Amino acid sequence: DVKVTQSSRYLVKRTGEKVFLECVQDMDHENMFWYRQDPGLGLRLIYFSYDVKMKEKGDIPEGYSVSREKKERFSLILESASTNQTSMYLCASLRDRARNTIYFGEGSWLTVV
Amino acid sequence: AQSVTQLDSQVPVFEEAPVELRCNYSSSVSVYLFWYVQYPNQGLQLLLKYLSGSTLVKGINGFEAEFNKSQTSFHLRKPSVHISDTAEYFCAVSGADSSYKLIFGSGTRLLVRP
Repeated sequence: DVKVTQSSRYLVKRTGEKVFLECVQDMDHENMFWYRQDPGLGLRLIYFSYDVKMKEKGDIPEGYSVSREKKERFSLILESASTNQTSMYLCASLRDRARNTIYFGEGSWLTVV
Repeated sequence: AQSVTQLDSQVPVFEEAPVELRCNYSSSVSVYLFWYVQYPNQGLQLLLKYLSGSTLVKGINGFEAEFNKSQTSFHLRKPSVHISDTAEYFCAVSGADSSYKLIFGSGTRLLVRP
């Protein structure tokens, strides 16, 4: 089974703090994603990466950046956290684009106070 | 670009009753369609997907969905639900030419009552 692991399940941070959300997948997948989930809005794509050091903006990249230095790890960075970034963040991975099935981690609940 | 509409934010149903969760999409290109389930405090798990071929797709846990191109729908059905099916269900679409980029609906919460 594919395993996508998000190291922090619950975080509370202060406004203005720099926040790192880490995600690791164990199946040598090429593609990795960060989504944000909010009630009534479903999941919205923040950033994705199709290879090491490669990234593309999703639908809501403002206020976020990402890092992919190794194939198995994809980090989401909030340079200066704000209260409107309080949300559930989901990491996902996809082996290759022909296989279609995206695998999700269990999510990271971030509260910014 | 694609979009997805899940018309019902919550669907209450009694145990052992049938259920249908509705999903409509719009797209100017051929699409792939997916249903994901999210149990409380967990990530999303793939229930089923339509890529091509038979329009009736069977998934895990007894769920199935039918792709209807003329009505641009992909409704999810189960003939008899269990308490354990209580969860949030998300419909998602991707363009067949950009299948890695999923667009999600807003979700439907299925609440199964004894």
